[in-house]
Amino acid sequence: EAGVAQSPRYKIIEKRQSVAFWCNPISGHATLYWYQQILGQGPKLLIQFQNNGVVDDSQLPKDRFSAERLKGVDSTLKIQPAKLEDSAVYLCASSLASWEGNTEAFFGQGTRLTVV
Amino acid sequence: AQSVTQPDIHITVSEGASLELRCNYSYGATPYLFWYVQSPGQGLQLLLKYFSGDTLVQGIKGFEAEFKRSQSSFNLRKPSVHWSDAAEYFCAVGAGGTYKYIFGTGTRLKVLA
Repeated sequence: EAGVAQSPRYKIIEKRQSVAFWCNPISGHATLYWYQQILGQGPKLLIQFQNNGVVDDSQLPKDRFSAERLKGVDSTLKIQPAKLEDSAVYLCASSLASWEGNTEAFFGQGTRLTVV
Repeated sequence: AQSVTQPDIHITVSEGASLELRCNYSYGATPYLFWYVQSPGQGLQLLLKYFSGDTLVQGIKGFEAEFKRSQSSFNLRKPSVHWSDAAEYFCAVGAGGTYKYIFGTGTRLKVLA
C-alpha cells in the first residue's frame, strides 16, 4: 500500500514570497491533516479535512495560509506571503474517519520550508 | 481542552539499559492514545496505540505502554534500548468525534554506546 506522498521535500524562499505544498493521502482515507512542526516542537494541527470539507482550521493563520482539498483526495497548502517564523516542517497525514480497528494517522515525510 | 504533556525534553540512556518516556494527557472522556517515533528527516511512525481493553499495549520494535486512567498517563517503556532507538518520540491523544490527533512536544532520546 502506498503511503502519504508529499512534495517538495525541501523549499527555500525569501520572506514575502509565496509557496505551495502538495499532499496525496492514502487511497480511501477520508480524513486529511496538515501539521506544522517547528524545530524542537511537536506537530501542531493547522487544518483538518473530512473528504473535501474543513473540520478544523482554528489554528490556521488565515491571513496568509490557505488550503484546499478538491474532490476529497489531494490537498495543497499555500503560504502567501511567507514570514521568517513560517520556517518549519509541514507534515501531511491521513486516516480513516474511525477509531476502530487499525485506525491511525499515517504521515508523509514532510516538506522542510526555510524562509530567509 | 485536550492536551498532552511530555515532561522530559531530552533523555539519555546507555545501550542495553531500560527506558521509560512519560506522557500525561488531559481529556474529558476515554482517550485514544498513541506513541509515534520520528527519526531525523522522516515523518512520524506509529509505535503503538490504546483504544480500549487491556491497559498494557505492545507495539513495534519491542516497545510497550501502559494506560493508567487514575494518573492520566500513558508511559512508553522498553526493557533494553538499542542504538537505533535514538529518535524523537511523540505522545498523542485522539479527540473523539473529530478524529483529531493532538501531539505533545516530544522527547528526544539519545543512546550512548
